[in-house]
Amino acid sequence: DAGITQSPRYKITETGRQVTLMCHQTWSHSYMFWYRQDLGHGLRLIYYSAAADITDKGEVPDGYVVSRSKTENFPLTLESATRSQTSVYFCASSHGQSNQPQHFGDGTRLSIL
Amino acid sequence: SQQGEEDPQALSIQEGENATMNCSYKTSINNLQWYRQNSGRGLVHLILIRSNEREKHSGRLRVTLDTSKKSSSLLITASRAADTASYFCATDHSGGSNYKLTFGKGTLLTVNP
Repeated sequence: DAGITQSPRYKITETGRQVTLMCHQTWSHSYMFWYRQDLGHGLRLIYYSAAADITDKGEVPDGYVVSRSKTENFPLTLESATRSQTSVYFCASSHGQSNQPQHFGDGTRLSIL
Repeated sequence: SQQGEEDPQALSIQEGENATMNCSYKTSINNLQWYRQNSGRGLVHLILIRSNEREKHSGRLRVTLDTSKKSSSLLITASRAADTASYFCATDHSGGSNYKLTFGKGTLLTVNP
């Protein structure tokens, strides 16, 4: 089925480790987004991408790296995980033009011990 | 911050009653969107209202926008237990380019059977 999928759904890792969260969409949407959701903060934008090979920082980009070599994939990497990065991470995609909704995956719950 | 803020933070009602949630924002918008999030799932787009619109309907949902007060409200009529979820407003300040949304912290709606 068409849609947006995130993997893994759950991940436990240790501080200092590198971890990559995957996001794949089948709509050929130009825009893709990474958010983190924490109690008391709502959703905060980490990085977004307007097209393949075009990425830009959001509100909370420190400690994260993204790439977008293909339109359908937008991986998020924590190069050296810290406990403060324990969160639920959501990927979303959109046609990108204003007045278009964003479509979300079901999230990755990441715990860093 | 341009972040929208929902009010109340939590709302508990009986099935069949109406639920009203409010959203305020700080700077001018291109459009405002409402999303729903069921526990453990991603956000789902409900409705979008453009800055030049004042009211919009979709099934049991009614959204109003008052740009002079920088506020919006979401009304769910004849609520059902299945409406239990968190509801988020999201504002588009992009003016049509560099599209991204800013989300509020959400209202947790509980509909009791």
